Amino acid sequence: AQSVTQLDSHVSVSEGTPVLLRCNYSSSYSPSLFWYVQHPNKGLQLLLKYTSAATLVKGINGFEAEFKKSETSFHLTKPSAHMSDAAEYFCVVKDRGSTLGRLYFGRGTQLTVWP
Amino acid sequence: ETGVTQTPRHLVMGMTNKKSLKCEQHLGHNAMYWYKQSAKKPLELMFVYSLEERVENNSVPSRFSPECPNSSHLFLHLHTLQPEDSALYLCASSQGFGPSTSYEQYFGPGTRLTVT
Repeated sequence: AQSVTQLDSHVSVSEGTPVLLRCNYSSSYSPSLFWYVQHPNKGLQLLLKYTSAATLVKGINGFEAEFKKSETSFHLTKPSAHMSDAAEYFCVVKDRGSTLGRLYFGRGTQLTVWP
Repeated sequence: ETGVTQTPRHLVMGMTNKKSLKCEQHLGHNAMYWYKQSAKKPLELMFVYSLEERVENNSVPSRFSPECPNSSHLFLHLHTLQPEDSALYLCASSQGFGPSTSYEQYFGPGTRLTVT
């Protein structure tokens, strides 16, 4: 079975400090993992994806995530937060064992960035 | 912008009304999806269409009726909704559907639905 657990519902950081959003997954198959971001009144935008190539994945806006199979984790990081990073972030695993390839979403982490 | 548009952006309807949500994708994709996003809950997949054919109906009540007249347009017809149906309804599209990692989903901005 596929599932995603986002360990923090809210994260607050000061502008210029590092960001860490934590995600653990469960997958019966070699996983495909994604991070999406949702700004207020906007749809979900793909930040990055892991597809079993490099374990360190770089995405847009300076974000990156590291796939750690031994820890079943896919944490999202950014070295220096910007005010525009304030949004909700979703960790997603794809069910590669089904013909549909359904996505399973975490409950989201709300990132607040203080000036 | 992601290339997926949704109208209206906000909708308030009574429980006896009939309304429709519209989604249009300008990406040349072949698969389209409806999701429901409720507060404090993970996104729920409702329907999947591939080349205008419904391939998934995720146990959605019949008061939600999807329609996909062509690969660029997707509708969600609503009738006799309940207050608990109030949510953000998101449309998405992808090049295809299936386990391939190439089939990334692109989301529209959503329709905020309030049922009174």
